[in-house]
Amino acid sequence: RKEVEQDPGPFNVPEGATVAFNCTYSNSASQSFFWYRQDCRKEPKLLMSVYSSGNEDGRFTAQLNRASQYISLLIRDSKLSDSATYLCVVNPYNFNKFYFGSGTKLNVKP
Amino acid sequence: DVKVTQSSRYLVKRTGEKVFLECVQDMDHENMFWYRQDPGLGLRLIYFSYDVKMKEKGDIPEGYSVSREKKERFSLILESASTNQTSMYLCASTLFLLAGGGNEQFFGPGTRLTVL
Repeated sequence: RKEVEQDPGPFNVPEGATVAFNCTYSNSASQSFFWYRQDCRKEPKLLMSVYSSGNEDGRFTAQLNRASQYISLLIRDSKLSDSATYLCVVNPYNFNKFYFGSGTKLNVKP
Repeated sequence: DVKVTQSSRYLVKRTGEKVFLECVQDMDHENMFWYRQDPGLGLRLIYFSYDVKMKEKGDIPEGYSVSREKKERFSLILESASTNQTSMYLCASTLFLLAGGGNEQFFGPGTRLTVL
């Protein structure tokens, strides 16, 4: 079983739509959670950390559900520039090790 | 502006060659990582280092070794390249933080290695 699982997509949405991705993780002792964004042929970059209480950054909202072992990312009012692959990352009990999902691809269409 | 650099963006090698991939960070980070990224498999950890001369195997260390002689530099070595090591290789670094500190990883631009 993979440590982190994501729906690969692609999610094809029109501009202005709201879209949500989920990611499940297998290690209940996981400590830290992140969403990274990766543009085509570029390196991943941190989008946001995910806190127990949930957090919001502009149009982006991240939630953590420890009981069901998943994290989510909600993007409101999608922009063309949001088109990318979104990687879910989990940091288990060993602080210096990170597990990456294989990514969810988002295409925002005009 | 934080920076992680990798020695090559594209590399083509032949089966059996010894390959060196270099990574340098200028953020004084303790931890450095080597990943490979393949379609459908995501990023998989090859090796990481939490201090100079210290290293730990990741999930797929077979066929690879690493070297960290200086804090800012972390090298990945393919002793005898094989075609199944054709991949995108990504280096990353992170400052050591306690739990809950939000360990952001900073990535280099990647090296696309093709082994013929």
